[in-house]
Order: sequence, then C-alpha cells, then structure tokens
Amino acid sequence: QSALTQPPSASGSPGQSVTISCTGTRSDVGGSDFVSWYQQHPGKAPKLMIFEVSKRPSGVPDRFSGSKSGNTASLTVSGLQAEDEADYYCSSYAGSNNLLFGGGTKLTVL
Amino acid sequence: QITLKESGPTLVKPTQTLTLTCTFSGFSLTGSGEGVGWIRQPPGKALEWLALIYWRNDKQYSPSLKSRLTITKDTSKNQVVLKMTNMDPVDTATYYCAHRLCTGGSCYPDFDYWGQGTLVTVSS
Repeated sequence: QSALTQPPSASGSPGQSVTISCTGTRSDVGGSDFVSWYQQHPGKAPKLMIFEVSKRPSGVPDRFSGSKSGNTASLTVSGLQAEDEADYYCSSYAGSNNLLFGGGTKLTVL
Repeated sequence: QITLKESGPTLVKPTQTLTLTCTFSGFSLTGSGEGVGWIRQPPGKALEWLALIYWRNDKQYSPSLKSRLTITKDTSKNQVVLKMTNMDPVDTATYYCAHRLCTGGSCYPDFDYWGQGTLVTVSS
C-alpha cells in the first residue's frame, strides 16, 4: 500500500480541465512544501512536472499547475491534450530523510 | 546535457545481492548540492524511492529498506552504485537512477533527469 493516496483513474475530453488529488498526512503532504508531481508515459521514465507544490520546471507547459490544501495536494491539467494521457504520481518529503510516492493515477483523454 | 544510464544484471536469484551501477554525464557529483537517487517500480505498480547520495557523501535510505541498501559513489568514474541484499521475488522491478533537482540556487528532494531504467527480475 502506497503512503500517499491517489485516485486510480481520471479522465477528461480534449480542451477540458482535470484535477488529480494526492492525500497524505500532517507528517508528509500537510507538513511539507516539497510536494511534486511526475508524468509517466508507458514504457518511459517519469518526468518531473511540478515541484515545491506549484513550481514548474523549465519546459513544462503552464497548462499544468499544482496546489495544496491541508493534507491534500492537487495537480490540475487545463486544456487537455491527447499527449497528456499518462500515469501521474505525486511525491512528498516526509521528514526524517524519507520521500514518499503516491499510488499513481491513470489519466485518460477521452 | 545531463544523462544517466543504469546497468546491472537482469536476473538475480532469491537471497542474492543485487548490484546496480548508474553512469552519468553532464554534471559532477562534486558540485555543491548535487545528488543522485535510486527509485524502483514493480511491473504495473507505483514508484518507490530507495536511496540518495549527495556531493558531500551524505546518504539517505528508505526507512523500510535501509537494512538492505548501500549506496556509494565514484566521482572519478561518474558512477553511483546501489547494492541491495537478500533479494526476493517481490523486489522484481524496473530500477531507475535519477539526478537531484537543483534550480534557482536551491536544491529539492525531486529528480529532474532520469535514466531509462533497468528491469531486474528475481527468480530461481
């Protein structure tokens, strides 16, 4: 069982927005500014999309945004495109030099 | 341009020790803030962080696997090595090495460059 809880699936039509949640505890998501999101296409390595809750690495489209409220972090993908179909994983620093990942969410573009 | 590549056995027997090597280029592990981590992913399952080594040779391990893991670096060869003892079939996974994110003068517990991964199967 993964330490951070994500819905197994999410979906949206092209052009729509979709939000994926990541729920933890006060010991990780709720107590950390270091919450991140990774995108993973089948057979590929993960790609960092969001770090420090809401920052985007260079090259990541601004259609991707992150936020956090309490023990739950969220990734929103606006203006969905076919290429956004992938698995998404959240991660959070959990103190004591520990890094946790979520169980992953499969995003389907209808 | 930063690149990383994992190498090691594709098949190990239960109870054996797994040794994986990450060979990287485009940065030096002597640079302030630099770090390389290992993350694994069982087939069809989620990512799991394993270990991280920093430029000062500080090391961090997943609490649940700490007793089985050893991470080391060879800066002259631009390599990081991960050893995992007492392998079990549940350790079957794709193992990734990745570069720690440092940007804007700060470093983070995130990974901005990843290797392609190497699938390790544990079976007798």
